Amino acid sequence: GNSVTQMEGPVTLSEEAFLTINCTYTATGYPSLFWYVQYPGEGLQLLLKATKADDKGSNKGFEATYRKETTSFHLEKGSVQVSDSAVYFCALPRVNNAGNMLTFGGGTRLMVKP
Amino acid sequence: ETGVTQSPTHLIKTRGQQVTLRCSSQSGHNTVSWYQQALGQGPQFIFQYYREEENGRGNFPPRFSGLQFPNYSSELNVNALELDDSALYLCASQLSGGRGDTQYFGPGTRLTVL
Repeated sequence: GNSVTQMEGPVTLSEEAFLTINCTYTATGYPSLFWYVQYPGEGLQLLLKATKADDKGSNKGFEATYRKETTSFHLEKGSVQVSDSAVYFCALPRVNNAGNMLTFGGGTRLMVKP
Repeated sequence: ETGVTQSPTHLIKTRGQQVTLRCSSQSGHNTVSWYQQALGQGPQFIFQYYREEENGRGNFPPRFSGLQFPNYSSELNVNALELDDSALYLCASQLSGGRGDTQYFGPGTRLTVL
């Protein structure tokens, strides 16, 4: 079955530092891949996605490239801000006729200090 | 804001009781999924509803059940509550269709079982 492995946190960075959060997956075929973000006290928001190999998803300065050869979808940002402090989840879907059923990684908490 | 709403925001129950959580999907979305997020963990897929029928299920016992109504609102029912059911319950709606389609999450209901 599908599975997602993320680097454990928390990750603590200073403002303007470079961020990498590792995500690797196991799946049949070539599923779409997603990164979701959860700010304190809130639900999940889609951050970015990629639907096929070598695609790069990007949003709000975050990027992730779908690497089928390494089954990875690492999240990166060149310069983090305090407002990026949140929990980040990598996810992949099992798709049926009605839509996606997501398998999530365990989440990585990011704390950015001024 | 995703347009997905959930009620109540918080709920406290005792072991053995039953609970009903509610979700109102984004307008036009005909697929709803429910997830359980234990503290410090990633969300776990409970089940998906499409056209008012269960269309996929994760590794959850039958005491977790659901309903989807013609107006695309839905309910999650949990019978015989156990302490381990304490979690944030998230619903997510999407338009049925392709593999890259986005699920939109509500803010969640925090359930505490004492």
